[in-house]
Amino acid sequence: GDSVTQMEGPVTLSEEAFLTINCTYTATGYPSLFWYVQYPGEGLQLLLKATKADDKGSNKGFEATYRKETTSFHLEKGSVQVSDSAVYFCAFSNTGKLIFGQGTTLQVKP
Amino acid sequence: EPEVTQTPSHQVTQMGQEVILRCVPISNHLYFYWYRQILGQKVEFLVSFYNNEISEKSEIFDDQFSVERPDGSNFTLKIRSTKLEDSAMYFCASRDTHVNYGYTFGSGTRLTVV
Repeated sequence: GDSVTQMEGPVTLSEEAFLTINCTYTATGYPSLFWYVQYPGEGLQLLLKATKADDKGSNKGFEATYRKETTSFHLEKGSVQVSDSAVYFCAFSNTGKLIFGQGTTLQVKP
Repeated sequence: EPEVTQTPSHQVTQMGQEVILRCVPISNHLYFYWYRQILGQKVEFLVSFYNNEISEKSEIFDDQFSVERPDGSNFTLKIRSTKLEDSAMYFCASRDTHVNYGYTFGSGTRLTVV
């Protein structure tokens, strides 16, 4: 069935380190892909999205490229900040509902 | 920027009691959703609602759950007889016609069943 698999966390990095959070999906057709972020005590915020193969979504220094051949949508950031500490969710939508991965906790230390 | 508003932010209820979680979606959005997140776990789809009826529901959304859009602005989730395992964060979301535009989530209601 449809599903999203994210790399397990927590991911702990020092400030200014490079971030990659892997995400792969299993879906029929051509889903739209999303990354959502959840800061401590808050709701889900859309971070970025991509709607077709080879599209790159970007926002706040984060990027992810829709790779249809590998069914992946890995999240990257060149230099993380302490304020990026949060839970990151990969998700896709095919038929209308969003299907989420299990979330990856990122902790950035000064 | 338009927001999805959820109330209350935190609700504590006794097992077996009915609760109603409220949401005000973005005004020109047409599709509405409820999700839940048990502490530390993934975000799970409960139900989607379009044109005043349920368009899809998950296995979690059993007869104890119901949704309603009573007045054209509010969107509610009712749990008829709460169980301990209903304790979770419940998120409302809405979106415009095209999935590609993304979904806007509310800040959630933390439901604690004691």
